[in-house]
Amino acid sequence: DAKTTQPNSMESNEEEPVHLPCNHSTISGTDYIHWYRQLPSQGPEYVIHGLTSNVNNRMASLAIAEDRKSSTLILHRATLRDAAVYYCILRAGGTSYGKLTFGQGTILTVHP
Amino acid sequence: EAQVTQNPRYLITVTGKKLTVTCSQNMNHEYMSWYRQDPGLGLRQIYYSMNVEVTDKGDVPEGYKVSRKEKRNFPLILESPSPNQTSLYFCASSLSIGNEQYFGPGTRLTVT
Repeated sequence: DAKTTQPNSMESNEEEPVHLPCNHSTISGTDYIHWYRQLPSQGPEYVIHGLTSNVNNRMASLAIAEDRKSSTLILHRATLRDAAVYYCILRAGGTSYGKLTFGQGTILTVHP
Repeated sequence: EAQVTQNPRYLITVTGKKLTVTCSQNMNHEYMSWYRQDPGLGLRQIYYSMNVEVTDKGDVPEGYKVSRKEKRNFPLILESPSPNQTSLYFCASSLSIGNEQYFGPGTRLTVT
């Protein structure tokens, strides 16, 4: 199964952009890249997902490398509320359609 | 209010005593899934269901059973709980596998 690798932790200052990297060198052609985050004492929350092209929504942007072996979640202006664990996830396609494989997650600390 | 509910939220039990954790969603979602979260291991998928009567194993299915007799409910059954199943459990649902997943509030289970 394809796995993801993320840095254990990152720090940012409030109102600055944050780039959270994820490596998925064994990704298959049908795997979608999903990002979720988990605030303290809560269940995970969807952030964004994509397949090949870069994606934008109200929360963040997702930049996917041309070879799809890595991706970057971009928070354009970090706020204190963005402090969370961010998970990069591959949603398997093909015969394993429906199976999600979570990475270890990156703990994002946002300083005032 | 659209939501995923889990019961109970907290449970302390003894080894071998069968238990069921219920999960219910009111959004008419087809896809439902169970995860466990352990320190240092992140979130791991236990089972998932693409629709009624359709279930499949995730990454850590051993020791668990599920059923999907109705679209809204997806109970997690531990026939003979053991201490290594002490964990924080999350249920999630989505309209379909490609859509964002909504997570429940979590069930903290302790098996002594």
